Amino acid sequence: EPEVTQTPSHQVTQMGQEVILRCVPISNHLYFYWYRQILGQKVEFLVSFYNNEISEKSEIFDDQFSVERPDGSNFTLKIRSTKLEDSAMYFCASSSGEDEAFFGQGTRLTVV
Amino acid sequence: DQQVKQNSPSLSVQEGRISILNCDYTNSMFDYFLWYKKYPAEGPTFLISISSIKDKNEDGRFTVFLNKSAKHLSLHIVPSQPGDSAVYFCAASAGGNKLVFGAGTILRVKS
Repeated sequence: EPEVTQTPSHQVTQMGQEVILRCVPISNHLYFYWYRQILGQKVEFLVSFYNNEISEKSEIFDDQFSVERPDGSNFTLKIRSTKLEDSAMYFCASSSGEDEAFFGQGTRLTVV
Repeated sequence: DQQVKQNSPSLSVQEGRISILNCDYTNSMFDYFLWYKKYPAEGPTFLISISSIKDKNEDGRFTVFLNKSAKHLSLHIVPSQPGDSAVYFCAASAGGNKLVFGAGTILRVKS
C-alpha cells in the first residue's frame, strides 16, 4: 500500500538553528500539507501546497517557515531559526484532491 | 479557534460493546467530515468519512452519522475490539482540502 514517508523520525536542534523536515508524498498525489501537533494539543494545519505553490497557510506559518518541492518526489518544510515553541510532531500529508489525506509517521522536532 | 470540538477527552468501553465518539462543529461551511485514528508515535490514519449530502456512512464495524442541523457527528464502532484502543480525531474541511481537527478522544477498549 502506498504511504507517505517522513525523515528524520526525530530531530534535535539548538534554538536559532535551521531545520529541514523531509517528506515523500504518495506518488500520484497532487496536494501536499504540513500539520503539527504540540504535545498535549490538537493537530494544527500549517500549510497546503498545490501546483508548485502555497495554496493556503495558517497564522502559525510565518516568515520563519517555508516549503519547497525541490524535485518530483520530495516535499520539505524549513524552519529558518527554530524557537523552543517549535518543538512538536510535524506531520506531512498528501491527497489526490478527491478523497482523504494520507499522513506520514511524523517527525518529532525537539528544540533545545 | 474551536471550530471542531470533541468534548470527551477519553472513553472506556468493554470489548464487544459499542463505542460512540462524538464531535461537534461550528462552521456551517464544512462539507466533508473525516475520522482519523492515531496510535502513539504514528501519524493519523484515515478511518471513515462522510460528505454533507449524506447522514450516514458505514464501513464494516465503523459507522459515521452526521446531523447537519445539530452540527454534530458521531462515530460508532461495534463490536469494539482491544485493537481499537487509540486516539480518535474528528476532522472537517470546507470546500478545500485543509483539515480542521478536533482535540481527539482517547478510546480504551477493555478485554
